[in-house]
Amino acid sequence: EPEVTQTPSHQVTQMGQEVILRCVPISNHLYFYWYRQILGQKVEFLVSFYNNEISEKSEIFDDQFSVERPDGSNFTLKIRSTKLEDSAMYFCASTGQDSNQPQHFGDGTRLSIL
Amino acid sequence: GENVGLHLPTLSVQEGDNSIINCAYSNSASDYFIWYKQESGKGPQFIIDIRSNMDKRQGQRVTVLLNKTVKHLSLQIAATQPGDSAVYFCADPRRALTFGSGTRLQVQP
Repeated sequence: EPEVTQTPSHQVTQMGQEVILRCVPISNHLYFYWYRQILGQKVEFLVSFYNNEISEKSEIFDDQFSVERPDGSNFTLKIRSTKLEDSAMYFCASTGQDSNQPQHFGDGTRLSIL
Repeated sequence: GENVGLHLPTLSVQEGDNSIINCAYSNSASDYFIWYKQESGKGPQFIIDIRSNMDKRQGQRVTVLLNKTVKHLSLQIAATQPGDSAVYFCADPRRALTFGSGTRLQVQP
């Protein structure tokens, strides 16, 4: 069964540094998402992306965050100047031809800010 | 925004028993719901979904019930197994998922 893959599985970064989290969504999917989950808390929506532009974003997704689909397969989340509170699991998800379908999640990148 | 929440943070059951996990929602316009399972260290995994034109849907060992009158969903797991231990979320996927806080299901051998 096709999977969403995320790399790296664990990223350790110094506070203030830029970090890029990478995702390869399922190949024929059209809708892409990033979520984060702070340890012990619920999954929180960050941003959705369709047709090469952001379709929706939450208040968490401020100017420090950006997303990009640089080629036909990758979907990236960039945090420009990381803060301690950015430490969390970051999940990428995708869905197919219709956004009103189950989203398929990757296993996440654990981001640790020192 | 939409409020999708869960009644109980933890549910502990004996192996072989049936489990029932509940979820309430507040937006009467919600017409599609998904149940996800999240095991430790993994991303949410789709279990089953239901649309508002149905009040019951069955999968393999799982059943979802939807009561639109009281805006309530439940997930029933038959013959619960140790591998079912996880956190279970209900979600409203319209445009973006809104997750509840989750119910942790603990299966006692």
